[in-house]
Amino acid sequence: GESVGLHLPTLSVQEGDNSIINCAYSNSASDYFIWYKQESGKGPQFIIDIRSNMDKRQGQRVTVLLNKTVKHLSLQIAATQPGDSAVYFCAEKGVETSYDKVIFGPGTSLSVIP
Amino acid sequence: KAGVTQTPRYLIKTRGQQVTLSCSPISGHRSVSWYQQTPGQGLQFLFEYFSETQRNKGNFPGRFSGRQFSNSRSEMNVSTLELGDSALYLCASNQGGGVDLGTEAFFGQGTRLTVV
Repeated sequence: GESVGLHLPTLSVQEGDNSIINCAYSNSASDYFIWYKQESGKGPQFIIDIRSNMDKRQGQRVTVLLNKTVKHLSLQIAATQPGDSAVYFCAEKGVETSYDKVIFGPGTSLSVIP
Repeated sequence: KAGVTQTPRYLIKTRGQQVTLSCSPISGHRSVSWYQQTPGQGLQFLFEYFSETQRNKGNFPGRFSGRQFSNSRSEMNVSTLELGDSALYLCASNQGGGVDLGTEAFFGQGTRLTVV
């Protein structure tokens, strides 16, 4: 079946350091990828997205890298802050079906050490 | 602009009962998607509605159903509840028009359903 991501790992980083969260996807036909952040007790929040015709996209303190050759996606967070502590999900849109079916990975828990 | 609103926030039901959850999308958004989130399975897509029509469906049994009203508000229903249906049910809305896959989706805080 369709799947995005590996089992849920935990990443601990020191405040001020850069964080890199990785994700593997299985559907090479996917056209669009998204990173979401979910804080405890809240729904997922959009962080950044990237289309398959791009390798890199930058936002505010975040960068997403896409490697289609190995079907790998990463999220880089610069100067990680305590407020970045959350579970991060990569997701892909199922392009071979109709709109807005999003397939989520299992997530990575990021813990920022003050 | 108000965000996505889900009601109720918490719900406890008994096995065999049925439940209806509600989602009010952001004003102007016509697409509403539903997801089930559990520690074991993560976030799984249930279905998506646009202009009162189900456009897409995930791999869930027929006990899970939904609908969308003319004002874009959506409800999902689960009949004959099982213990394994205990989860956080999330609703997301976006503008949803056309084939633009880049439309940002906004999530509600979810309804925490516990089946006992």
